[in-house]
Amino acid sequence: GAGVSQSPSNKVTEKGKDVELRCDPISGHTALYWYRQRLGQGLEFLIYFQGNSAPDKSGLPSDRFSAERTGESVSTLTIQRTQQEDSAVYLCASSLIRAQPQHFGDGTRLSIL
Amino acid sequence: SQQGEEDPQALSIQEGENATMNCSYKTSINNLQWYRQNSGRGLVHLILIRSNEREKHSGRLRVTLDTSKKSSSLLITASRAADTASYFCATETSYDKVIFGPGTSLSVIP
Repeated sequence: GAGVSQSPSNKVTEKGKDVELRCDPISGHTALYWYRQRLGQGLEFLIYFQGNSAPDKSGLPSDRFSAERTGESVSTLTIQRTQQEDSAVYLCASSLIRAQPQHFGDGTRLSIL
Repeated sequence: SQQGEEDPQALSIQEGENATMNCSYKTSINNLQWYRQNSGRGLVHLILIRSNEREKHSGRLRVTLDTSKKSSSLLITASRAADTASYFCATETSYDKVIFGPGTSLSVIP
């Protein structure tokens, strides 16, 4: 596609449920990032993938959060046993290589009831 | 404080005026980038300035970088209502990490 695509655009779920968020990066982009953005706040780095290298997971806030990426394609961010504090917009971005300008999707707005 | 911090947190101006936002950082950088985020959307890359550059222009945007003061400024000239958005600086450190600041919320009043 022309840009980074994220799905779903909105997700409402009950506390304790697991959720899976999807990101389709721009074709050919080797770098992929996940961020969390709470209302009115800046971006909180979660995880970074670069090609087939081991991902940088240093931003994941707890072991309830995990992410996968197959090669240089789709990535999924999974949050297990969701808590109300997980409510936020989850943004995905991709770039040709690390530190090049990032192209963002419009995010998934996650609401935990 | 964070690696990148924008100042002011919020700015409200009249259409046609210039808007200036500042970004300060703490560690050495390879480059600094500015992004815009419209409400409910993802971030859009505006401009990248490398550590060996002092000034860069793109349309109505002017970015300066002062590595001795570890600061950058984004100037939007002749602002328009459509410029209303949040603006973020992002610094690429020498460790290849890209860190975003908390942003400046700009309101341009028609």
